[in-house]
Amino acid sequence: AQSVTQPDIHITVSEGASLELRCNYSYGATPYLFWYVQSPGQGLQLLLKYFSGDTLVQGIKGFEAEFKRSQSSFNLRKPSVHWSDAAEYFCAVGALLAGGGNKLTFGTGTQLKVEL
Amino acid sequence: NAGVTQTPKFQVLKTGQSMTLQCAQDMNHEYMSWYRQDPGMGLRLIHYSVGAGITDQGEVPNGYNVSRSTTEDFPLRLLSAAPSQTSVYFCASSLRTGAANYGYTFGSGTRLTVV
Repeated sequence: AQSVTQPDIHITVSEGASLELRCNYSYGATPYLFWYVQSPGQGLQLLLKYFSGDTLVQGIKGFEAEFKRSQSSFNLRKPSVHWSDAAEYFCAVGALLAGGGNKLTFGTGTQLKVEL
Repeated sequence: NAGVTQTPKFQVLKTGQSMTLQCAQDMNHEYMSWYRQDPGMGLRLIHYSVGAGITDQGEVPNGYNVSRSTTEDFPLRLLSAAPSQTSVYFCASSLRTGAANYGYTFGSGTRLTVV
């Protein structure tokens, strides 16, 4: 079964500093990988996704992520963090289900705090 | 352009009560699903549907029922609420089934407390 590990529960960075959120996955086939962001009291918004091809994917809000198969990782990065980036970030791996549906398996999330 | 709409946003139930969480989408998405979010556990799949009339269980289905009579609606029913069902519930939809590479659209969630 697939699984996702986000080793950092909380991360604090200063505004303007660079950011890297870690994500490791376990999946037997070619993974479909996602990063979502959740602001307080809100649903999840898709930041970016990886299916195949170029291992460096660009997303919204200036985020990017790099897929490294050898390390089973899909880390999220941003060169310069803004105070509005404070939120909880979830990494997820997608998998097909026997009934024809699909399922996202989420990590436990990383809470990002931005210091002004 | 409403996307995925969930109602209610907040609900308090007594143990043993029943209720239905509503989810509607206006994007003609085939696939709809329900997740629950608990602190330190991420989101876990409860039930999903690949189209009208077709539903199946996710990883934590016990205590919940679903039906999908139309493409637009996918209600989640709690038959006899228990404190362990206190959680935030999210409905999500995506355009296609059978392919795990389509991004989901999430609703804003229903915060349920069972006392």
